[in-house]
Amino acid sequence: AQSVTQLDSHVSVSEGTPVLLRCNYSSSYSPSLFWYVQHPNKGLQLLLKYTSAATLVKGINGFEAEFKKSETSFHLTKPSAHMSDAAEYFCVVSERGQGAQKLVFGQGTRLTINP
Amino acid sequence: EAGVAQSPRYKIIEKRQSVAFWCNPISGHATLYWYQQILGQGPKLLIQFQNNGVVDDSQLPKDRFSAERLKGVDSTLKIQPAKLEDSAVYLCASSLLRTGYEQYFGPGTRLTVT
Repeated sequence: AQSVTQLDSHVSVSEGTPVLLRCNYSSSYSPSLFWYVQHPNKGLQLLLKYTSAATLVKGINGFEAEFKKSETSFHLTKPSAHMSDAAEYFCVVSERGQGAQKLVFGQGTRLTINP
Repeated sequence: EAGVAQSPRYKIIEKRQSVAFWCNPISGHATLYWYQQILGQGPKLLIQFQNNGVVDDSQLPKDRFSAERLKGVDSTLKIQPAKLEDSAVYLCASSLLRTGYEQYFGPGTRLTVT
């Protein structure tokens, strides 16, 4: 079964500084990987996805992630944090369930932005 | 475009009571998902529908949970009887494609079982 491990449960950065949220995956074949964001009292929103095309994936709101097969990693980065980036972030892998693809979520990383 | 709608947003019940959640997916989305998100954890898929048929319910506790999507649009998720460990946020999502890569999530229903 596929799985993802988010290495930090909580990350705190100052506004204007870089953001790094770490994710390692476990997969027996080339995976599809995603990052979702969850703002308080709002639905989950897709930030970006990797589906075996370019290894550097650009998403919304200035976020990007790099797929590194040798390190089994898919870390999420942003050059300069904004207060509105404060939220819970989930690394997600797609696996085949009962005849259909399904998403398997990591435990989440809470990102706090300090003024 | 309207998003995925869920109701109620919050529900408090006592253990052994029953509860039902409702979801209205984005218009035209054939695939609908129910997830359970326990505090401090990522969402876990409970059941997936393609139109009004069940595609995957391998993680649904069928002794107490049930779900239906009779006309291939709206869906309800029911818990009967509820246990303390059912306290969680129940998320509904929908997608155009069965592969589910682009899943759109509703705001969720926060259930507290006392």
